[in-house]
Amino acid sequence: AQSVTQLDSQVPVFEEAPVELRCNYSSSVSVYLFWYVQYPNQGLQLLLKYLSGSTLVESINGFEAEFNKSQTSFHLRKPSVHISDTAEYFCAVSLSGGYQKVTFGIGTKLQVIP
Amino acid sequence: GAVVSQHPSRVICKSGTSVKIECRSLDFQATTMFWYRQFPKKSLMLMATSNEGSKATYEQGVEKDKFLINHASLTLSTLTVTSAHPEDSSFYICSAIRTVGNEQFFGPGTRLTVL
Repeated sequence: AQSVTQLDSQVPVFEEAPVELRCNYSSSVSVYLFWYVQYPNQGLQLLLKYLSGSTLVESINGFEAEFNKSQTSFHLRKPSVHISDTAEYFCAVSLSGGYQKVTFGIGTKLQVIP
Repeated sequence: GAVVSQHPSRVICKSGTSVKIECRSLDFQATTMFWYRQFPKKSLMLMATSNEGSKATYEQGVEKDKFLINHASLTLSTLTVTSAHPEDSSFYICSAIRTVGNEQFFGPGTRLTVL
């Protein structure tokens, strides 16, 4: 079975500073990887995903994540954060090949400080 | 983008009563829907997989007689928490799989509080 580890439960960062949210996964077979964002009192929204192809994937609001198979990582980065990025971020993994159920990490709370 | 709704968004009930939560895919058909439970400061825990026209598949440790799931149509799945107790208080989230694009879309969640 696959698993996801998010080492940082909370990450405080000043506005306009860069940020990296770490995610490592474990699986014996190929996987799909996702980052979801949950704003306060809202449901989950897909931020970006890696299915195949280019290992660097980007979201429309400036986040990017790189799939590193050798390090089994899928860290999320943004070069300059905004107050509006304050939210909970969940890394998730599923087995590749058609739709499979998704396993989530425990989440990282990004707190952007003015 | 595709929209999944949940109703109600919040519900408060007395211990011993049953509560039904609806999950609807508004602009696409979903043969598969998932029900998750989110504990405070914890990740989402998959409770069950709901397949249209067949019985739901429950994850280990989830009581199927307590959490009744019905997926009666391609756009609606319901979760009924029977004889609710305070420990059932939680945030319940559903998701639906859109066949085109093979993508999962989440509902906004339902906050259940059992007094």
